[in-house]
Amino acid sequence: DQQVKQNSPSLSVQEGRISILNCDYTNSMFDYFLWYKKYPAEGPTFLISISSIKDKNEDGRFTVFLNKSAKHLSLHIVPSQPGDSAVYFCSGGTSYGKLTFGQGTILTVHP
Amino acid sequence: NAGVTQTPKFRVLKTGQSMTLLCAQDMNHEYMYWYRQDPGMGLRLIHYSVGEGTTAKGEVPDGYNVSRLKKQNFLLGLESAAPSQTSVYFCASSQTRINYGYTFGSGTRLTVV
Repeated sequence: DQQVKQNSPSLSVQEGRISILNCDYTNSMFDYFLWYKKYPAEGPTFLISISSIKDKNEDGRFTVFLNKSAKHLSLHIVPSQPGDSAVYFCSGGTSYGKLTFGQGTILTVHP
Repeated sequence: NAGVTQTPKFRVLKTGQSMTLLCAQDMNHEYMYWYRQDPGMGLRLIHYSVGEGTTAKGEVPDGYNVSRLKKQNFLLGLESAAPSQTSVYFCASSQTRINYGYTFGSGTRLTVV
């Protein structure tokens, strides 16, 4: 049972435009959702999180939206930069629990 | 501040050999985790620990054992390596509340031939 799904393996965007990465989940017990960014040959790094009681969280160019009724979240990057090219992992978990990750989406931002 | 350090970074094993992956963190985190990353599968939890002396199974624990004798260290052992264990292994640590996020190590690329 895959509790967190990222159905788009890859996304290609032009520099300066918006990147939208999507994620679906099935576990309604999740309290938090976190996005991680991973460059080749490095470990994932924490990017942004959102509590299940919120519907939006913003940090600079990054905004995460949560739609609880649809069990869907998305990460918006505006404007996209070539340095944003990486693998993005969506994850969810309970407050004192462990994170369950999606399969990842490869984002490529073209200059 | 080193964060999470994994050793070794690369290793090639023959089928049936054993090895131990070491993870060390210097952030005084209570929780530690071992994940494996495979193409198209994302990050899957192998084992985790919520404190010194405790361990628990994750999503894919078969073929692995772990120990957490000291708070700062979390060891992952492969007793008899199989080709299916070829993967990139990531260790992570965190505070008790999940919203603070995990800090990951840089990974160990293991190939079993």
